Amino acid sequence: QVQLQESGPGLVRPSETLSLTCTVSGGSISSSRYYWGWIRQPPGKGLEWIGRIYSRGSTYYNPSLKSRVTISLDTSKNQFSLKVSSVTAADTAVYYCARVYDVDYPIDYWGQGTLVTVSS
Amino acid sequence: SYELTQPPSVSVSPGQTASITCSGDKLGNKYACWYQQKPGQSPVLVIYQDSNRPSGIPERFSGSNSGNTATLTISGTQPMDEADYYCQAWDSSTVVFGGGTKLTVL
Repeated sequence: QVQLQESGPGLVRPSETLSLTCTVSGGSISSSRYYWGWIRQPPGKGLEWIGRIYSRGSTYYNPSLKSRVTISLDTSKNQFSLKVSSVTAADTAVYYCARVYDVDYPIDYWGQGTLVTVSS
Repeated sequence: SYELTQPPSVSVSPGQTASITCSGDKLGNKYACWYQQKPGQSPVLVIYQDSNRPSGIPERFSGSNSGNTATLTISGTQPMDEADYYCQAWDSSTVVFGGGTKLTVL
């Protein structure tokens, strides 16, 4: 059974970079043919797709966030990470990491989510 | 960019049938899936590739997709089905979510 767990600071200052890590257990992120992604949900609002990274390292980002987002892999730790630069209050959200097999497939595993607040 | 539109809220009486729609341009040409999200929890996949149920999802959940509209149907709705429901599709290699529908069972 695959499990995903987000970790990182719960408070980030405006204009700084938000950094989160997702630790995957129950399977190797480098040997599997899956995409590993990030989704966020502002308080009381809907879901927003951020982007994904393939187990071989190729990345695909939501065009609306592409200029500020980087997703990377750390295969030695079985983790993948998210960085969002130049954050504002609008980036305050619960951030989820997730797994998806490929385009046209659903998101089949989600982390529990972590709240990140952008505030001075 | 591609958009999926859902009604903000749907109400249903216990034991009745609830239908939640999701509209998008030529959505029937794409695969639609549905997630259930209860307060404070992560979303859970309830329907994938238009009409398939993952293991462990009750048979009362079903889905269809044709034309510009995908529909999630919950037959014999139970109080435990009260939750937010999100549709999702892929467009240009990007995941797109609907705005979500709050299902109230009363």
